[in-house]
Amino acid sequence: EVQLVQSGGGLIQPGGSLRLSCAASGFTFSIYDMNWVRQAPGKGLEWVSYISSSSTMMYYADSVKGRFTISRDNAKKSLYLQMDNLRAEDTAVYYCARSLGGSDYWGQGTLVTVSS
Amino acid sequence: DIQMTQSPSSLSASVGGRVTITCRASQSITTYLNWYQQKPGKAPKLLIYAASTLQSGVPSRFSGSGSGTDFTLTISSLQPEDFATYYCQQSYSTLFTFGPGTKVDL
Repeated sequence: EVQLVQSGGGLIQPGGSLRLSCAASGFTFSIYDMNWVRQAPGKGLEWVSYISSSSTMMYYADSVKGRFTISRDNAKKSLYLQMDNLRAEDTAVYYCARSLGGSDYWGQGTLVTVSS
Repeated sequence: DIQMTQSPSSLSASVGGRVTITCRASQSITTYLNWYQQKPGKAPKLLIYAASTLQSGVPSRFSGSGSGTDFTLTISSLQPEDFATYYCQQSYSTLFTFGPGTKVDL
């Protein structure tokens, strides 16, 4: 069974840093591209970042470019999102998702709240 | 950047009814268009990719069509479990933009 299990969310002050993790199981993680997608409270979906299977390509939404860093460890079957210089507008549920055509499997989501 | 719009933003429908949702891209995305369903408090679910290919396990009452800039998601006979919010997403450019969503309620 394909599973993506997320961890690392929480309450953080503006300007702070947080690292989200996404542990994969049930499939060959190393051959799949991955995405992070977020959803602010009561709002729609916003694509955040993409990483190719071998980490050769990484893309970011303009809203997070220069502040967020996507990475992966294929040996540990894990995806990460390092979030620095967090702002109130980064408050959202963050999802990791496997990329195949569309995003066919999603993590359970983790809430990040940026507030003083 | 490619902008995605959806219409309507919300609609009311009845069980057994036919629902059509439109998605428009600001430039041609050929058929790099995906559709998702999301229910409150849940992760999105992929329904259709490449504009018209049904994801495995998705009921055949869902269908997608279109190419270029104009796309359509159709639910042929709405079931109680279909009341949800639907999003389109382009995967043509490296910024995989979502549409704003269409809420389908009773």
